[in-house]
Amino acid sequence: NAGVTQTPKFQVLKTGQSMTLQCAQDMNHEYMSWYRQDPGMGLRLIHYSVGAGITDQGEVPNGYNVSRSTTEDFPLRLLSAAPSQTSVYFCASSRTGGDYGYTFGSGTRLTVV
Amino acid sequence: AQSVTQLGSHVSVSEGALVLLRCNYSSSVPPYLFWYVQYPNQGLQLLLKYTSAATLVKGINGFEAEFKKSETSFHLTKPSAHMSDAAEYFCAVKGDTGRRALTFGSGTRLQVQP
Repeated sequence: NAGVTQTPKFQVLKTGQSMTLQCAQDMNHEYMSWYRQDPGMGLRLIHYSVGAGITDQGEVPNGYNVSRSTTEDFPLRLLSAAPSQTSVYFCASSRTGGDYGYTFGSGTRLTVV
Repeated sequence: AQSVTQLGSHVSVSEGALVLLRCNYSSSVPPYLFWYVQYPNQGLQLLLKYTSAATLVKGINGFEAEFKKSETSFHLTKPSAHMSDAAEYFCAVKGDTGRRALTFGSGTRLQVQP
């Protein structure tokens, strides 16, 4: 069981470039989320999804787009990268129901120069 | 809106000493609460969770947490710290309606001194 797979693990972008962070899970989880982690700020929710075709914004959605065309995949798109988007990004998935915890991927470290 | 507050961004203990990491929550309904651990350059691993079945919850690696509704707290403890416990610990809350994602505290970095 691969769990939650994120690619790439590291990425350097120039300001203004666009890119897609990939996230795939093989556990048939309905819930998926994207977080960014910055020092001293914990993990902040960017976007989340409760099923294929359903997405919603989290706390810090500006500059990011998501779509959920399948249960397995939940890509995060940076439309025009900015230095403020330098961060570590985590994707996570969970079964339906409040009492299930989320399983996290190993993260993508993004630097925008 | 639900939220969690972790008191103390850094905690240092001696090996063999009690570990106490504090978490207070704010929620208008009984919450689902979680503790996660993050080792350097890794993702987050679930330590334990509170789902209303029992107020004292046991997790992996000898950790446990007690849900206290009157104090709106869910503090994480371990009787005897080990060097391998050095990591960052996050408390999180999850709702079962509306936003069904986790809301995290800002984290507590645990140092274990030999």
